[in-house]
Amino acid sequence: GQNIDQPTEMTATEGAIVQINCTYQTSGFNGLFWYQQHAGEAPTFLSYNVLDGLEEKGRFSSFLSRSKGYSYLLLKELQMKDSASYLCAVYGNNRLAFGKGNQVVVIP
Amino acid sequence: DAGVIQSPRHEVTEMGQEVTLRCKPISGHNSLFWYRQTMMRGLELLIYFNNNVPIDDSGMPEDRFSAKMPNASFSTLKIQPSEPRDSAVYFCASTTGDSSNQPQHFGDGTRLSIL
Repeated sequence: GQNIDQPTEMTATEGAIVQINCTYQTSGFNGLFWYQQHAGEAPTFLSYNVLDGLEEKGRFSSFLSRSKGYSYLLLKELQMKDSASYLCAVYGNNRLAFGKGNQVVVIP
Repeated sequence: DAGVIQSPRHEVTEMGQEVTLRCKPISGHNSLFWYRQTMMRGLELLIYFNNNVPIDDSGMPEDRFSAKMPNASFSTLKIQPSEPRDSAVYFCASTTGDSSNQPQHFGDGTRLSIL
C-alpha cells in the first residue's frame, strides 16, 4: 500500500511564503501531484513532479526528492484566496493515493 | 468547456434506502474515478474505470457499493442499502491517457447524508 503524511494545519500572513511538506512511502513510484481544495469545493490540480527537482509555476513551486520520499509545495506572496487545503497525491502501485491534506489559513 | 458533471449535488435520505450517484466525465477522457471524502479518512479511491472497464475496485467498501460505466459519457455509483456511515462527499474525476502523469479533473461532488 501507500503511506502519505502531511501536517494538518498551518497559519500564515498575507504576503508571506509558506512551505507545505509531504512525505510518502510507496513502491513503483510514478509521479506526485499537488491539488488545492477550497472548503466545500472540488480539488483542483496545481502541479506534477516525476523527476527530482523544483517545478515552478507562478507563485507556486513544487519540489520532489524521490530518494527521500519527500515533496514540498511552496506558496509565495500569499493571498487571502490561498486559504485552502493542499493535498499531496502519489502515484504508485498503479493507483493514485491522496494524503489527508494540509489546511492553510491566510490571515491579514 | 464543460467539466465533470455530477448529480445530485446534495442528497439526504434515510438508512436502508438505495442511493444512486451519477457522473458525466469530460468528453474525450477515457479514465473515470470515484472517490469518497470524509474528515477522518480524507480522499479515498473507490473504483477506477479505463475505457468503460473497471480496472481497480479494491477501494469499494463492501457489497453494498456497486459502480457501472455503460458508456464513455456516463457512470453511476450505487449504495444499497445505505447506512449512516456512508455519509460523505463523493467525487467523480476523469482524465485522459495514462493517469499516472495526467491530472485528474474533479466534479463538484455529491454531499450525501444518510439519517
